[in-house]
Amino acid sequence: DGGITQSPKYLFRKEGQNVTLSCEQNLNHDAMYWYRQDPGQGLRLIYYSQIVNDFQKGDIAEGYSVSREKKESFPLTVTSAQKNPTAFYLCASSTGQGSTFGSGTRLTVV
Amino acid sequence: QKEVEQNSGPLSVPEGAIASLNCTYSDRGSQSFFWYRQYSGKSPELIMFIYSNGDKEDGRFTAQLNKASQYVSLLIRDSQPSDSATYLCAVTGAGGYNKLIFGAGTRLAVHP
Repeated sequence: DGGITQSPKYLFRKEGQNVTLSCEQNLNHDAMYWYRQDPGQGLRLIYYSQIVNDFQKGDIAEGYSVSREKKESFPLTVTSAQKNPTAFYLCASSTGQGSTFGSGTRLTVV
Repeated sequence: QKEVEQNSGPLSVPEGAIASLNCTYSDRGSQSFFWYRQYSGKSPELIMFIYSNGDKEDGRFTAQLNKASQYVSLLIRDSQPSDSATYLCAVTGAGGYNKLIFGAGTRLAVHP
């Protein structure tokens, strides 16, 4: 079945640690996105990519980094510079007729 | 002013009634409009998209778009308890890349 796979489902980060969230899609979509969702709030765009080896900052890119070496993969690294990383992270891909989301990664700072 | 605004709710409707969810947006250049449903702790799932002024129907769902008023709505007919969720309105921003800008969502509660 085609879809988007995010892993891990739950992730715990220690203070000062970098962590990487995985996102893989087999939908053959060109565009991929990372969003952050805080409790009771909508989705905020972190980074997005239209094609391989190209990506753009979204509204809240500080403290995050991405890469797009393959069409299928768009990993997100949460760096130690992100001071409040506890949130629900959602990866999505799109053809233009709406985005398909992965199941999300819930990141908690311990 | 937020780019996409929704009433946070909760909107409470009895089972079988019509639920009406509203959304306004600030960018007149927005071209595409989407409604997503999100159950608690889950990821959003696409319900409807609409590009042209007027109504678009899909089963119990109707999306309505009025670009002049910068307003988009979602009607859910014959509401069921399983429709209880948060409904997110999203619009594509200017500049291409099909970036979606989301509202904060409206929580809908359908009670038996």
